[in-house]
Amino acid sequence: KQEVTQIPAALSVPEGENLVLNCSFTDSAIYNLQWFRQDPGKGLTSLLLIQSSQREQTSGRLNASLDKSSGRSTLYIAASQPGDSATYLCAVLTSNAGGTSYGKLTFGQGTILTVHP
Amino acid sequence: DAGITQSPRYKITETGRQVTLMCHQTWSHSYMFWYRQDLGHGLRLIYYSAAADITDKGEVPDGYVVSRSKTENFPLTLESATRSQTSVYFCASRPIGAHNEQFFGPGTRLTVL
Repeated sequence: KQEVTQIPAALSVPEGENLVLNCSFTDSAIYNLQWFRQDPGKGLTSLLLIQSSQREQTSGRLNASLDKSSGRSTLYIAASQPGDSATYLCAVLTSNAGGTSYGKLTFGQGTILTVHP
Repeated sequence: DAGITQSPRYKITETGRQVTLMCHQTWSHSYMFWYRQDLGHGLRLIYYSAAADITDKGEVPDGYVVSRSKTENFPLTLESATRSQTSVYFCASRPIGAHNEQFFGPGTRLTVL
């Protein structure tokens, strides 16, 4: 059974700092890994998707890396801003029991990020 | 409007009542999903659907029923609501194939009294 762990559970940093959020997963047979952002009381917004064959993806100040063999991903946020404050979730897509292409997205518990001015 | 919409956004009901949460997507994505999000449990999959008229159970299906007569709609029904079903419910969709992003709706906050 796939398990996803995110460390740290919470992080508070001053504005302008570069930071790293960590995600680990137990089954390396993944299709892809997706990072999401969730603001309080809101839905999940997709930030980055890394295919299993890729090592990293970048979008603006965000950079996500994937080391499938070791079961790890990191989300790097450069020059953090108060508007980056949110919960960040990583999720991995693995084959479901029937081996169909539906896949199953397994989520970590999230990292609550606070960026203070 | 394009994307995924959910209705209602907030719902208060009583134990034993039937409640239907609606989900509509405009992308014609094949796959649709229902999750619930609870403190301490994170996001858990309730049901999913690969196409119209094809649905299957997720991790926590008991007490829920789904249908998918049209590609764009995926309603979730609580046949007899219980307090343990108080939660935030998210609908999601994804294009066919295992290498695509999954997109989420804004959620429905359901309270069962």
